[in-house]
Amino acid sequence: GAGVSQSPSNKVTEKGKDVELRCDPISGHTALYWYRQSLGQGLEFLIYFQGNSAPDKSGLPSDRFSAERTGGSVSTLTIQRTQQEDSAVYLCASSLAGTGLSEQYFGPGTRLTVT
Amino acid sequence: GDSVTQMEGPVTLSEEAFLTINCTYTATGYPSLFWYVQYPGEGLQLLLKATKADDKGSNKGFEATYRKETTSFHLEKGSVQVSDSAVYFCALIHTQGGSEKLVFGKGMKLTVNP
Repeated sequence: GAGVSQSPSNKVTEKGKDVELRCDPISGHTALYWYRQSLGQGLEFLIYFQGNSAPDKSGLPSDRFSAERTGGSVSTLTIQRTQQEDSAVYLCASSLAGTGLSEQYFGPGTRLTVT
Repeated sequence: GDSVTQMEGPVTLSEEAFLTINCTYTATGYPSLFWYVQYPGEGLQLLLKATKADDKGSNKGFEATYRKETTSFHLEKGSVQVSDSAVYFCALIHTQGGSEKLVFGKGMKLTVNP
């Protein structure tokens, strides 16, 4: 079946512009996660959604970052006024139940370059 | 807070060599432990996992045993292949207050030469 999909696969933007990254989780998966992969920081957690519960936003690095999940499915990560340090690969993952035991399935990522 | 420390490499081995990638963790309680692999040009995928002490996860000839006494989850393979060339990440699952997240090590790039 279809895995987690993300779009765009690559995004180049100028410093100061806003960007939106999209994630389509596996159908039926109630838990959705965003991570960031960068050379300096490795893989970092950004945000967690589970069903209709309030999201855990504790990993968002600044208030320029926000995310939403509409209808319990598609999620959008928005970065406002992008900075060069935002350059990274943004990974989305989903899991069946978010119980800590169910596997997280990762998408291919969006490579963001801020010039 | 919870953390994972692993060998970072890069490491280059010859085909059929023995592989060990060390991983230790710091956590409250006994979290599930994972090894994820990222092949060139591909997304992150689960290689194996263990959910409690003394569990052994295994897949594709790789093995790792959850050692509570040494807080370790070392990855081993007896005979690597060129196709094992990838970046390997050790991780634990941190759960708190209804939330959960994977906490990753820095990753280790492995290159296997024929």
